[in-house]
Amino acid sequence: DPKIIQKPKYLVAVTGSEKILICEQYLGHNAMYWYRQSAKKPLEFMFSYSYQKLMDNQTASSRFQPQSSKKNHLDLQITALKPDDSATYFCASSTGTTNTGQLYFGEGSKLTVL
Amino acid sequence: QQKVQQSPESLTVSEGAMASLNCTFSDGTSDNFRWYRQHSGKGLEMLVSIFSDGEKEEGRFTAHLNRASLHVSLHIREPQPSDSAVYLCADYAGNKLTFGIGTRVLVRP
Repeated sequence: DPKIIQKPKYLVAVTGSEKILICEQYLGHNAMYWYRQSAKKPLEFMFSYSYQKLMDNQTASSRFQPQSSKKNHLDLQITALKPDDSATYFCASSTGTTNTGQLYFGEGSKLTVL
Repeated sequence: QQKVQQSPESLTVSEGAMASLNCTFSDGTSDNFRWYRQHSGKGLEMLVSIFSDGEKEEGRFTAHLNRASLHVSLHIREPQPSDSAVYLCADYAGNKLTFGIGTRVLVRP
């Protein structure tokens, strides 16, 4: 059974709308992350959280807002959607944010913005 | 900012033949280097994580790191059709991973 649950797996949105991507992990990890994989581009780091606090943000746009309501949740709210936001968004978690921590990835949420 | 280049873009091998993938980095000071595998529609699965120059083996997967030449390779011994996937290398620095674009591997029976 997957230990990192991402919902929905696929979603389609119209330009200008808002969507929330859900991520829950059942690994007991303290650190959670969001990565984005756009077509023909490498997987790209977006955010890291540790104990529900933002540790690093590499996303230039404030339209992307992580939300951590519980220790094992890290949702991603995206507002004013643009076609360039079309990508697969991966949630990940690890025991900590040190270099020895193995990252476990969810199966992704594929977003298409029309 | 670290850049990661992978080659080849795609690779077809016969079942049982060795598969070799390459990765070069723009900066060799990263904490460690990792290889991941991504089956279509699935999440990433880490195969090998290597910290020091030399070799690290995990089952049928062996990584070789040479920091001086900014190069890490992955060798897949006796590949099977179930190994068909996209293979991603990444470096870990500053508490985040920087990925290459991947090598698509197809293993033919």
